[in-house]
Amino acid sequence: GENVEQHPSTLSVQEGDSAVIKCTYSDSASNYFPWYKQELGKGPQLIIDIRSNVGEKKDQRIAVTLNKTAKHFSLHITETQPEDSAVYFCAASITGNQFYFGTGTSLTVIP
Amino acid sequence: DAGITQSPRHKVTETGTPVTLRCHQTENHRYMYWYRQDPGHGLRLIHYSYGVKDTDKGEVSDGYSVSRSKTEDFLLTLESATSSQTSVYFCAISEGVQETQYFGPGTRLLVL
Repeated sequence: GENVEQHPSTLSVQEGDSAVIKCTYSDSASNYFPWYKQELGKGPQLIIDIRSNVGEKKDQRIAVTLNKTAKHFSLHITETQPEDSAVYFCAASITGNQFYFGTGTSLTVIP
Repeated sequence: DAGITQSPRHKVTETGTPVTLRCHQTENHRYMYWYRQDPGHGLRLIHYSYGVKDTDKGEVSDGYSVSRSKTEDFLLTLESATSSQTSVYFCAISEGVQETQYFGPGTRLLVL
């Protein structure tokens, strides 16, 4: 099956700085890449996603980039705020309903 | 939040006992999923359902079975719980293939 690696596992940034989380995947057939945010004690929540026919997608302070040749995709959060502190997961889907998740990045935004 | 509830929210059980977790949705979504979340592993798919009585295995299905007799309910059963099944279990729903998955609040299971 697909293997998704996520880095870094922890990330601390000053409020207002940018944060970048990177994921790599192994199966070139993967074509859908969602990102989830999980707050303490809650289930993950989709924040942005990208499909393989698009190289970049942006939603306000959040953006995702995809490099199919290198098989990696990244989450970019600009102008970070304390409420951005959470665990972020990337995922990859080849087809159908099988999703493979990264191991998560714990982001701390320091006020 | 999407209308997803999980029950129980917390459970402690002993090795060898059967356990059933329930996921209930009010969104009428076709697809339902069960994941487990463990430190260092992220979320891993156990089973999923693409309609009433239609289910398929995920990445870590051994030791688990599922049933879906109604659109709104998806049950996960551990036939004989083991300590390795101690985990947080999440249910998710989606309208279609590779569409947004909405997650429930999770069930924390401890197998002693």
